[in-house]
Order: sequence, then structure tokens, then C-alpha cells
Amino acid sequence: EVQLVESGGGLVQPGRSLRLSCAASGFTFDDYAMHWVRQAPGKGLEWVSGISWNSGTIGYADSVKGRFTISRDNAKNSLYLQMNSLKPEDTAFYYCAKSPYSSGWYPPDYWGQGTLVTVSS
Amino acid sequence: QSALTQPASVSGSPGQSITISCTGTSSDVGGYKYVSWYQQHPGKAPKLMIYEVSNRPSGVSNRFSGSKSGNTASLTISGLQAEDEADYYCSSYTSSISSAVFGGGTKLTVL
Repeated sequence: EVQLVESGGGLVQPGRSLRLSCAASGFTFDDYAMHWVRQAPGKGLEWVSGISWNSGTIGYADSVKGRFTISRDNAKNSLYLQMNSLKPEDTAFYYCAKSPYSSGWYPPDYWGQGTLVTVSS
Repeated sequence: QSALTQPASVSGSPGQSITISCTGTSSDVGGYKYVSWYQQHPGKAPKLMIYEVSNRPSGVSNRFSGSKSGNTASLTISGLQAEDEADYYCSSYTSSISSAVFGGGTKLTVL
């Protein structure tokens, strides 16, 4: 059974940093690209970032480019999102999601339960 | 503003059928078979209901079906049940920008 478990969310002040983690199990992690998708409270889904199986291809939404960094550690079956210079508009549930393919930003097939990031003073 | 356009809301009575549309461009929905649909209940993570336009993952009811015509994909739910009340999102592979795209979501109300 595919499982994706996010951690690292919490309350943070504007301008500060936070690092999210996603622990993956139930599939061969290094065979697949991975995504981060966020959802502000009461709003729709927004793709944040994606990374190919070998970290060779990385993409970001314009809203986070230059502030967020995605990475993965295939030896640890883990995905990360380093979020710097956080803004109140970054407040959202952040979901780790698995791609059905090794590269390319194809719609995810499995999602974690999400971790809430609140940016507020 | 979302890259894919969905109606904000749809409704139907138990037993009826409803269809939710997802309109994009030839650079996403119209150009590829990689269109997915997700169901999201309040406080829960999205769940994949349809992938590659019309395929159902194992365990998803056959009351859910997907199709595509031109730049518009559609999700049809037949035999509506109370448990189908949720938000539904479409997503597509896109070549126009280096990112995935989602629709703005559709709230389904079962009357």
C-alpha cells in the first residue's frame, strides 16, 4: 500500500523558513517523480513544485520560484521542501504527491494527508 | 486564476447523473491523454477517481466515468449517492509551462 506521510508544518512568522518532509513507503520511491501541491484554507489545489526520479528535472510554480527548494533522498525514501522568505499567502495545507511516471509533471496518483503551514506574526 | 476552468458548483438528486466539465487548451487537456480527476471530502486529502481521461483506479466505483472532447474533459457520476457530495478537481499534463495544472474545483451538492 502506497503511503505518503508529511511532517514539518506549523506556525511561522513572515520572512522565516520552514522545511517540510515526506516519508514514502509501499512503492519503489526512486522510480517516480514527486510533487508538492498546496491548498489554502477553503481554496483550490495549487501545484507548488516537482522533482524527477533522479533530481535531474525540477520545476516550481512562479509564486514560489526563488524562495522554495525541492529535494529528495532516494536512499531514505524521502521528499523535502525547503521554504524560505515565507509570506502570509503561503499559508496552506501542503500535500506530498506521487507521480505515475519517473519524470514530467503528470497528474499525481497518490497523495499524503497534508501538513498545515501557517504564516503569521 | 486556475489554468483549467471548472464550474464552481453542480447539484443533483440521489439516483440522478451529473457531469462536471474541465476546459483547457490544446497545450494541456486537448493535446494529451493525461487528464485526471480527484474527489476531496472536507478535511481529507484528494483521492484519484479517474486517470488518463477515462480509466478508473482499482476500487473506484464504476458510477464514475471520464471522457474528453477537444479541449474539454468531463467527469460523469451516475446514480448519485449522498457520499458523492464533495469537491472535484481536474488536472492535466501541460506543455505550455513547466508545471502541472489543476482546475479551480467544483463543489458537488447532492440534494
